[in-house]
Amino acid sequence: QKEVEQNSGPLSVPEGAIASLNCTYSDRGSQSFFWYRQYSGKSPELIMFIYSNGDKEDGRFTAQLNKASQYVSLLIRDSQPSDSATYLCAVSYGQNFVFGPGTRLSVLP
Amino acid sequence: DAGITQSPRHKVTETGTPVTLRCHQTENHRYMYWYRQDPGHGLRLIHYSYGVKDTDKGEVSDGYSVSRSKTEDFLLTLESATSSQTSVYFCAISEGRETQYFGPGTRLLVL
Repeated sequence: QKEVEQNSGPLSVPEGAIASLNCTYSDRGSQSFFWYRQYSGKSPELIMFIYSNGDKEDGRFTAQLNKASQYVSLLIRDSQPSDSATYLCAVSYGQNFVFGPGTRLSVLP
Repeated sequence: DAGITQSPRHKVTETGTPVTLRCHQTENHRYMYWYRQDPGHGLRLIHYSYGVKDTDKGEVSDGYSVSRSKTEDFLLTLESATSSQTSVYFCAISEGRETQYFGPGTRLLVL
């Protein structure tokens, strides 16, 4: 059984701070790693994907991948109240995707 | 989700009735997926398709069937709806190993 784990939260950070979201996965055969944001009552939308070990930056977002530790993280710099949402980590195995349960982030003004 | 639509968006039905949800895409993507999302479980794969008439089961396929007779349409059927199938259903599409794009979702309530 391929598993993806995340802390359910809520994770609360003040506006302007760095939010750090973490994800672990069970299968070393995982190929690609994704972070989605989901607002309440809406569908998931892609924030970033990462394939290789190391960091990948896109604006205020940085994804970090450590395959040896089977660990993926998402950093959100200068957090804004509009970042308040549930963040889903997903891992792909070939053409299948396994999602974590999501971490609820609350950015306090 | 501009290139993906789902219908209906909301549905209330009774236990034991058949229900069909439709996913329609205009992106010509090869892969299509049906997920359900429930509190505490995240998104769980029901079935997916890798081409016309080519489908396979996902993690929670019991009680569900799918069909794909055209590239753009992927149908999910609950053969005899049960209360445990009350959920939000999302369709997704992808091409290659790239990311998935999600439709707006269908809220299904089985009484």
